[in-house]
Amino acid sequence: KNQVEQSPQSLIILEGKNCTLQCNYTVSPFSNLRWYKQDTGRGPVSLTIMTFSENTKSNGRYTATLDADTKQSSLHITASQLSDSASYICVVAEGAGSYQLTFGKGTKLSVIP
Amino acid sequence: DGGITQSPKYLFRKEGQNVTLSCEQNLNHDAMYWYRQDPGQGLRLIYYSQIVNDFQKGDIAEGYSVSREKKESFPLTVTSAQKNPTAFYLCASRLTGVDYYGYTFGSGTRLTVV
Repeated sequence: KNQVEQSPQSLIILEGKNCTLQCNYTVSPFSNLRWYKQDTGRGPVSLTIMTFSENTKSNGRYTATLDADTKQSSLHITASQLSDSASYICVVAEGAGSYQLTFGKGTKLSVIP
Repeated sequence: DGGITQSPKYLFRKEGQNVTLSCEQNLNHDAMYWYRQDPGQGLRLIYYSQIVNDFQKGDIAEGYSVSREKKESFPLTVTSAQKNPTAFYLCASRLTGVDYYGYTFGSGTRLTVV
């Protein structure tokens, strides 16, 4: 069964600090991996999308990495801001024309002043 | 601006009632999806539609129904057969054949049974 595991489940950091969120997956065949940011009570918004051949992708202060061999990804947030407080969801898409998505349960990040 | 609109934002349902959640997109996307989100769980697929007048059951379709009469619209009806409907419902859309560009999500509808 395809699975996406995220860690930690929740995280509290001080404003201005960096943090890294982890995502391990067992989805096969693999098409791409996405990171979404979801503010409370809102829909997810895409941060990055990476295919098999991409090792890293940046979007402002967000940098995602992908190791397709070990089936691991990370999302690094630099110089955190209060507005970064949200849930971060890792989503893996199946390949071979399936396009089915498997969602992680998310990491809830709280940035405090 | 192009986007995907869900309405209402909040919805209250009495026991035994059917309610319909609206999802409209002006992105010219072919495929549309309905997901359910519960606290501490990943999004779960309810129904999806790749083309007009066609839709497929997802992982948790029981107690739900959909229609796709227009490309832009994909309403979800939560029927009385859904025993635990209180949840956050998300609609999404994407271009078929262009998987790399991902899904666009609506802002969600929070349904509460009273």
